[in-house]
Amino acid sequence: GAVVSQHPSWVICKSGTSVKIECRSLDFQATTMFWYRQFPKQSLMLMATSNEGSKATYEQGVEKDKFLINHASLTLSTLTVTSAHPEDSSFYICSATPGTAFGYGYTFGSGTRLTVV
Amino acid sequence: AQKVTQAQTEISVVEKEDVTLDCVYETRDTTYYLFWYKQPPSGELVFLIRRNSFDEQNEISGRYSWNFQKSTSSFNFTITASQVVDSAVYFCALSEAWQEYGNKLVFGAGTILRVKS
Repeated sequence: GAVVSQHPSWVICKSGTSVKIECRSLDFQATTMFWYRQFPKQSLMLMATSNEGSKATYEQGVEKDKFLINHASLTLSTLTVTSAHPEDSSFYICSATPGTAFGYGYTFGSGTRLTVV
Repeated sequence: AQKVTQAQTEISVVEKEDVTLDCVYETRDTTYYLFWYKQPPSGELVFLIRRNSFDEQNEISGRYSWNFQKSTSSFNFTITASQVVDSAVYFCALSEAWQEYGNKLVFGAGTILRVKS
């Protein structure tokens, strides 16, 4: 079945530094990838939708300059948290689908737990 | 705009009891997909079921069953003879067919299920 690999699984960084999270589709071409953030005991909130080769579409309230998303190939999307601060500590999950057409399933990565100290 | 409501924040049951998790959704689309996911403490999302808006047949998979009723915009999930391993957070989610930037998935708040032995 479809597999999405997300790395790293967890990361601790100092306040003010940047962190990059990778999301790779291993056995399919991911035309569209989604990035979610989940705070403890809360739901998954969509941050942005990215289509290969084009700029990401951010949800309202998500800072584009803080959360940089790059979807340069059909198998790789990256989320960079720039100048991270403790309030950015969260669980980040990516999801990929093989097409924009309705009806494709979603495959999720295993998530990245970010702690900013 | 799409919206998913899971009114039950937390449910506790004793092993072998049956339990139903409620999900109510809102959408203006006539074509959409509904999903249920399980999130154990490890954090990864486990896909349970996908149902399209044109298929109102109930589904049973082992101890799991789903009741989809368009008339009440509900897609409830029942676990029969619950087990301790069923303890997790369960999310209901909705994806509308016609979206400009990709078929994003919107999640409900989640229901924490605790099964006690």
